[in-house]
Amino acid sequence: GAGVSQTPSNKVTEKGKYVELRCDPISGHTALYWYRQSLGQGPEFLIYFQGTGAADDSGLPNDRFFAVRPEGSVSTLKIQRTERGDSAVYLCASSFRPGPYYGYTFGSGTRLTVV
Amino acid sequence: KNEVEQSPQNLTAQEGEFITINCSYSVGISALHWLQQHPGGGIVSLFMLSSGKKKHGRLIATINIQEKHSSLHITASHPRDSAVYICAVFYSNYQLIWGAGTKLIIKP
Repeated sequence: GAGVSQTPSNKVTEKGKYVELRCDPISGHTALYWYRQSLGQGPEFLIYFQGTGAADDSGLPNDRFFAVRPEGSVSTLKIQRTERGDSAVYLCASSFRPGPYYGYTFGSGTRLTVV
Repeated sequence: KNEVEQSPQNLTAQEGEFITINCSYSVGISALHWLQQHPGGGIVSLFMLSSGKKKHGRLIATINIQEKHSSLHITASHPRDSAVYICAVFYSNYQLIWGAGTKLIIKP
């Protein structure tokens, strides 16, 4: 597609529920990144995919968070047993290759609110 | 001390003024992003810099790798430039460390 698409744009869920957030990167971009931005803070790194594999998932806060990218394109971030502290904007970005010499394109984010 | 520091945190200016936002960092490898975030909107990458200077329209970005400092300039500022501007430094080949952002308001 023309840009990075994230769905849904807004998600309100009850505490304890399971949610899935989707990221559709630019076609041909092998690298995909998830970040989380809490209110008033800068985004924090969650996970980076190179192709189908999670090359670095060190930013995932705990084992309630999991992400997949089974075919090397669309990625899904999954959050189990959501907590109010999970409320944030979840940002996805992609690039042709990883590294500072390739442009990043960001999606518009998914605003998750846990009530 | 934050690893990526931006100044000022908030900036209000009149339309037409020349704007400078600064970014100093203590970590990272030799490149950084300047990004723009509108309220309620997504993040747009303005520049990725590893050396020297880049210009796009009314936006100019410079970086001094030795001094670990970068600046973003806006010439002939316009109210539509109002946004949060963020400096993000490459910590590894794929991981960015983000500054807290500079909230810019341009008044007509």
